[in-house]
Amino acid sequence: KAGVTQTPRYLIKTRGQQVTLSCSPISGHRSVSWYQQTPGQGLQFLFEYFSETQRNKGNFPGRFSGRQFSNSRSEMNVSTLELGDSALYLCASSPRQSGVMNTEAFFGQGTRLTVV
Amino acid sequence: SQQGEEDPQALSIQEGENATMNCSYKTSINNLQWYRQNSGRGLVHLILIRSNEREKHSGRLRVTLDTSKKSSSLLITASRAADTASYFCATLIQGAQKLVFGQGTRLTINP
Repeated sequence: KAGVTQTPRYLIKTRGQQVTLSCSPISGHRSVSWYQQTPGQGLQFLFEYFSETQRNKGNFPGRFSGRQFSNSRSEMNVSTLELGDSALYLCASSPRQSGVMNTEAFFGQGTRLTVV
Repeated sequence: SQQGEEDPQALSIQEGENATMNCSYKTSINNLQWYRQNSGRGLVHLILIRSNEREKHSGRLRVTLDTSKKSSSLLITASRAADTASYFCATLIQGAQKLVFGQGTRLTINP
């Protein structure tokens, strides 16, 4: 079974630009979560999607948004990039069946975003 | 602030020794999970322990959970150079349906 795939792996953007990151979950997994990892703040939860609906959201500004498609693939968008958005963005999928997320998460390799 | 606090922040031991990492958290949880991350790559799930469990084993890994103290420990026995990585605990908070990670322990195994 293929793992979680994130594209692209590396990205360099300029301040003020926007960026879209993609995540393909493990086949059959309907829950996709996004995390931001920085040396200073560690791993921070961004949001979770299940059945094309955002179910949970972390404490990030509205510049961070996402969506999930009917095939469970998810995209994350960051608009008006700031230097502080430079981070490793990780996507995780889990076999959440309904309202309860009580299993392990499977992570992709991440997208390394550098804002210059 | 982070839900999980991990201790120590860094640990360096000789190959073959045991490594113990601790995690404390603040609120009620559904489960607690441990992950490993190699140098800026994705996280690999190691073990999940539910709030009604006290101890769990997986190969060379042993995890304990004390919900009264809101703490957990991860023991890696007979360490190997390949165990060098950062280890994170993550809690699934009741009602929140999201994983909250600690800051991690950087483990170095010296040959």
